[in-house]
Amino acid sequence: QKEVEQNSGPLSVPEGAIASLNCTYSDRVSQSFFWYRQYSGKSPELIMSIYSNGDKEDGRFTAQLNKASQYVSLLIRDSQPSDSATYLCAVPSGGSYIPTFGRGTSLIVHP
Amino acid sequence: KAGVTQTPRYLIKTRGQQVTLSCSPISGHRSVSWYQQTPGQGLQFLFEYFSETQRNKGNFPGRFSGRQFSNSRSEMNVSTLELGDSALYLCASSAIEGTRETQYFGPGTRLLVL
Repeated sequence: QKEVEQNSGPLSVPEGAIASLNCTYSDRVSQSFFWYRQYSGKSPELIMSIYSNGDKEDGRFTAQLNKASQYVSLLIRDSQPSDSATYLCAVPSGGSYIPTFGRGTSLIVHP
Repeated sequence: KAGVTQTPRYLIKTRGQQVTLSCSPISGHRSVSWYQQTPGQGLQFLFEYFSETQRNKGNFPGRFSGRQFSNSRSEMNVSTLELGDSALYLCASSAIEGTRETQYFGPGTRLLVL
């Protein structure tokens, strides 16, 4: 069973701080990595995808991938209360594009 | 482009009944996947359809079934409902971008079984 692990949190950060969300995965041959944001009562929304080692930046979001250590992280700079949500890490297992989802990390950004 | 749509958005059923949920993918997307999300189990993969054929299947009992039509619209059916089937059912359609596939979710159908 391929696994994707996330700390459930909640992770609480003050407004304007950097929020760091982490995810580890078990399948060494995975090639694609996704972060989804899910507000309470809503469906997951894709916010980042990353395929190569290193960093990928998109606005206030930076995804970091380290395949050797099998972890992927999401940094949110200048966190806003509107960033308060659950962040889901999704990793397709090798040979499949169907992602396995982590349980998600709940982020709370307080004013 | 319009996003993934799902109907109905909310549903209340009683144990033993059956239910059919519908999903229309983003225009041009041929793959539709279904997930069940519960607080206890998180997001769990049910099955995936591509060109009217089931291409992948998760670990759910045979009470859960689906199909896809020639226009890529998909339905999932749950027969003999149990209390534990209460969940948010999500449909995702997939885009092929280069050699990679990315899933985009619909708003979900919230099912309550009494």
